[in-house]
Amino acid sequence: DTEVTQTPKHLVMGMTNKKSLKCEQHMGHRAMYWYKQKAKKPPELMFVYSYEKLSINESVPSRFSPECPNSSLLNLHLHALQPEDSALYLCASSQVSRISVTGELFFGEGSRLTVL
Amino acid sequence: QQQVKQSPQSLIVQKGGISIINCAYENTAFDYFPWYQQFPGKGPALLIAIRPDVSEKKEGRFTISFNKSAKQFSLHIMDSQPGDSATYFCAASGRNDYKLSFGAGTTVTVRA
Repeated sequence: DTEVTQTPKHLVMGMTNKKSLKCEQHMGHRAMYWYKQKAKKPPELMFVYSYEKLSINESVPSRFSPECPNSSLLNLHLHALQPEDSALYLCASSQVSRISVTGELFFGEGSRLTVL
Repeated sequence: QQQVKQSPQSLIVQKGGISIINCAYENTAFDYFPWYQQFPGKGPALLIAIRPDVSEKKEGRFTISFNKSAKQFSLHIMDSQPGDSATYFCAASGRNDYKLSFGAGTTVTVRA
């Protein structure tokens, strides 16, 4: 199983709503990532979890709140978003060890978010 | 600032032709150089990757050429097919670095 599964595929929310994006992988990867991608742009790193601990937060606004309940799951909680937050949100995972972190990123298909 | 510069922004090639995408970097600490392929509505997928101890790596119709002294690397798609029409991103990262620095992307269109 070499899949990263993201739900929902599409989400439309108002600026006062609270919603969550979910990501799951069963490849035994211990690093999980959230990326944001705008149309015709490269993915931008938001957060990295390594061994279920937040390792990187790329100065993301607090209206985005990540959570890693276990080694297979990653959530992104959304609250009070702005229209400019509309984008494709990609989850990814990679194999890491305690001494090395570079390696192939496996991306999900993304959740297309529209903020009205 | 963008750590990996990618060109061209887009290219059109005839079926059977060669597509060439170029990337340049400044950070000499980079030691992992992957290429990702992304189809519309899908997430990026790793196509091929290289480390600086080799100058070329080939997988099927896809070849990475790497020039460490010039700090440049390129992707060659041989015998381009319509199914290769996608956006291609080069990227780079350093040892023990979670963060990939992506190029701006190249949209490749292969005409039948």
